[in-house]
Amino acid sequence: SQTIHQWPATLVQPVGSPLSLECTVEGTSNPNLYWYRQAAGRGLQLLFYSVGIGQISSEVPQNLSASRPQDRQFILSSKKLLLSDSGFYLCAWSRTGEASPLHFGNGTRLTVT
Amino acid sequence: QKEVEQNSGPLSVPEGAIASLNCTYSDRGSQSFFWYRQYSGKSPELIMFIYSNGDKEDGRFTAQLNKASQYVSLLIRDSQPSDSATYLCAFPGGYQKVTFGTGTKLQVIP
Repeated sequence: SQTIHQWPATLVQPVGSPLSLECTVEGTSNPNLYWYRQAAGRGLQLLFYSVGIGQISSEVPQNLSASRPQDRQFILSSKKLLLSDSGFYLCAWSRTGEASPLHFGNGTRLTVT
Repeated sequence: QKEVEQNSGPLSVPEGAIASLNCTYSDRGSQSFFWYRQYSGKSPELIMFIYSNGDKEDGRFTAQLNKASQYVSLLIRDSQPSDSATYLCAFPGGYQKVTFGTGTKLQVIP
């Protein structure tokens, strides 16, 4: 069976500090990978998605970036965090194909102080 | 116009009743729909998906899709307090992306 791991679970970072969140998927090959953000009481905002190694599509211009150095690894980064970057960050995977649902990791709750 | 519309709620139902959650969408080309459940502070969990017109049943859950009306719903029979959560509908939006509604908060009152 497939599993998705996301860490850390919680993170408190000062404004201006860097960020690195990591996500790995097990039990499948060539998954589509996604980063979403959910602000408190709000819906899911798609940040980045990837259909293969080194292929990253950005949905929202911001100070975040994503990378996919390996088939089942997806990393979300920032060089300098802003207060507005606080939120619940969710990594997800899906099988290749337009009709495939997403499966989410447990999420990282980021607080920028 | 928003791509996916959901009433934010909260929708309150007594324990044992049927909860009806609704979602309308704007993309007539959408072929499949997903329902996710999200408990407070947790990540969304896929509970149902439906690819064709009509009903799909899984235990206490029934998903209903009406493509002509661009309407998808989720019925929860014999609602339990453990069903209290936010329910998100979603559909593939092209280019391997999935579009989510903002969710409906369900409260099941014991």
